[in-house]
Amino acid sequence: GEDVEQSLFLSVREGDSSVINCTYTDSSSTYLYWYKQEPGAGLQLLTYIFSNMDMKQDQRLTVLLNKKDKHLSLRIADTQTGDSAIYFCAEKRTNRDDKIIFGKGTRLHILP
Amino acid sequence: DTGVSQDPRHKITKRGQNVTFRCDPISEHNRLYWYRQTLGQGPEFLTYFQNEAQLEKSRLLSDRFSAERPKGSFSTLEIQRTEQGDSAMYLCASSLGDSGYEQYFGPGTRLTVT
Repeated sequence: GEDVEQSLFLSVREGDSSVINCTYTDSSSTYLYWYKQEPGAGLQLLTYIFSNMDMKQDQRLTVLLNKKDKHLSLRIADTQTGDSAIYFCAEKRTNRDDKIIFGKGTRLHILP
Repeated sequence: DTGVSQDPRHKITKRGQNVTFRCDPISEHNRLYWYRQTLGQGPEFLTYFQNEAQLEKSRLLSDRFSAERPKGSFSTLEIQRTEQGDSAMYLCASSLGDSGYEQYFGPGTRLTVT
């Protein structure tokens, strides 16, 4: 996971927006992902963005991609207690390389 | 439930024993992946199959590890002569099509080697 970096912890008040940031190193990345993992569970694919896009919105989730800076962010609007989880940023490098490279995850803590 | 399923969910074994895990992918998904996740880390790729063919193996997959997908449906991951360092969550994912960009994960099998 060294090639995908994200901060390890984020604390946000319920109702506020959460912004989780990620940087990656490989400019050939084709798809960039956000996965959510709740305690003791597997990974849930939240959203992904193709590298020729710079923004994707899906209900409360907004993904921004800055290819020049190799920076990806996930904004969660109106954060709820159910959003408390670990969020993994991940990249898939080429169409022929099937593995997904994950960061170490950002633990999102919701304050009442 | 039509998601990826894994069995068992938890496994405790003594060092030196062999263990086998099973993964059932989403129906008709032709690609199946195994990842390993240790505490505080993101998942790391181990291997993947397209139908019954094993197409790539990570260098993390030592000779003690073997994976099969004999009929192109479910897969098994066997670890022989387990070591304490094998303790981890073993995650299975599946995808449809040739590019594998939408990978859906199962709940994982947590292995503890004592």
